Amino acid sequence: SAVISQKPSRDICQRGTSLTIQCQVDSQVTMMFWYRQQPGQSLTLIATANQGSEATYESGFVIDKFPISRPNLTFSTLTVSNMSPEDSSIYLCSVKTGSSYNSPLHFGNGTRLTVT
Amino acid sequence: DQQVKQNSPSLSVQEGRISILNCDYTNSMFDYFLWYKKYPAEGPTFLISISSIKDKNEDGRFTVFLNKSAKHLSLHIVPSQPGDSAVYFCAAGVNKFYFGSGTKLNVKP
Repeated sequence: SAVISQKPSRDICQRGTSLTIQCQVDSQVTMMFWYRQQPGQSLTLIATANQGSEATYESGFVIDKFPISRPNLTFSTLTVSNMSPEDSSIYLCSVKTGSSYNSPLHFGNGTRLTVT
Repeated sequence: DQQVKQNSPSLSVQEGRISILNCDYTNSMFDYFLWYKKYPAEGPTFLISISSIKDKNEDGRFTVFLNKSAKHLSLHIVPSQPGDSAVYFCAAGVNKFYFGSGTKLNVKP
């Protein structure tokens, strides 16, 4: 499976600021996704990062709040904009390495964000 | 509305016995189902999966069962080991995946 590196691994930010999280994969992947895990909650899909085009957002998530870039097949960024304490979560990058529908997702170790 | 549900937040099992973790989903279009194991401060680790054309998939101590008519899947771990203690998530979908809320498994020595 692919090696997925996320930066930063953790950060403490002030409300009203923005943080950009980077996800680097050691091989080309077909699909990349961003998830959020709020304290004590499940993993919630934020969006599918599409290479060379706008991300596809899930219900409840919008581009102005969570802009995503994916300039190539190995790299993506997620920005959490105008942060509030409710944005305190673990943000996870995940990738699908195979092209068939029955290929599993693999995850990075996540970015633990605390907003004060 | 949550499309994937794990109704048991925790499970405690004696070492050597069977652990059974359950998962329900609502969307009949889902055709691929996965189980993940997660330790604190780490990302989820893929364990085992099953596609909708099968009803059972086995990998060592781990077996996943799928009941499409009931929209239910389960993960069996036999025999359970203390190192299996972690949070287990099920996921389901088509190309993109939705996760349950997790079950914390504690395997007692």
